[in-house]
Amino acid sequence: DIQMTQSPSSLSASVGDRVTITCQASQDISNYLNWYQQKPGKAPKLLIYDASNLETGVPSRFSGSGSGTDFTFTISSLQPEDIATYYCQQYDNHSYTFGQGTKLEIK
Amino acid sequence: QVQLQESGPGLVKPSQTLSLTCTVSGGSISSGGYYWSWIRQHPGKGLEWIGYIYYSGSTYYNPSLKSRVTISVDTSKNQFSLKLSSVTAADTAVYYCARDGGAGGWGQGTLVTVSS
Repeated sequence: DIQMTQSPSSLSASVGDRVTITCQASQDISNYLNWYQQKPGKAPKLLIYDASNLETGVPSRFSGSGSGTDFTFTISSLQPEDIATYYCQQYDNHSYTFGQGTKLEIK
Repeated sequence: QVQLQESGPGLVKPSQTLSLTCTVSGGSISSGGYYWSWIRQHPGKGLEWIGYIYYSGSTYYNPSLKSRVTISVDTSKNQFSLKLSSVTAADTAVYYCARDGGAGGWGQGTLVTVSS
């Protein structure tokens, strides 16, 4: 099984801050990585696919990078509506695995 | 744009089988090209992929649940289903159906509580 280690588990930042979340895979997954945003009571929403591609309609302040085992998700300027939990997800070898999630709060 | 909707009992007794159905609209399962998943989220916890099915009937399951999970597809109804046997309180969760593990869309989720 491919394991995903996401950090930090929680993060407090101010509006306008640059926020970074990392995800590490237990083995090489190429660029088979998605990033999701989940708000309370809602299904997750895809933000980034294939590690670095912005989903249609998602604000450009969201970005992703990385390949192989190490990946980064960035919000360039935190907005109040970005308060949510963020998950990475790998899709390789006929399976999907999510990271543990990062709960983002406003300082 | 594809839409997914879960349906099924919200309460299941311990040791029984949890059964859920996902109805797909705005696209045909039988057109191929997509994997139809079940994902769950324990209360206040993270996301856990349960398994997926292709329109042909090929399935792949999370090894941690494989012995208790069956996913099936009914292309005539444009639905796919989840059965999870021998449930315990630890299976209480919001269950989501999704396309391509979530990248292609999610249902709204349905809370299933395991309790006597």
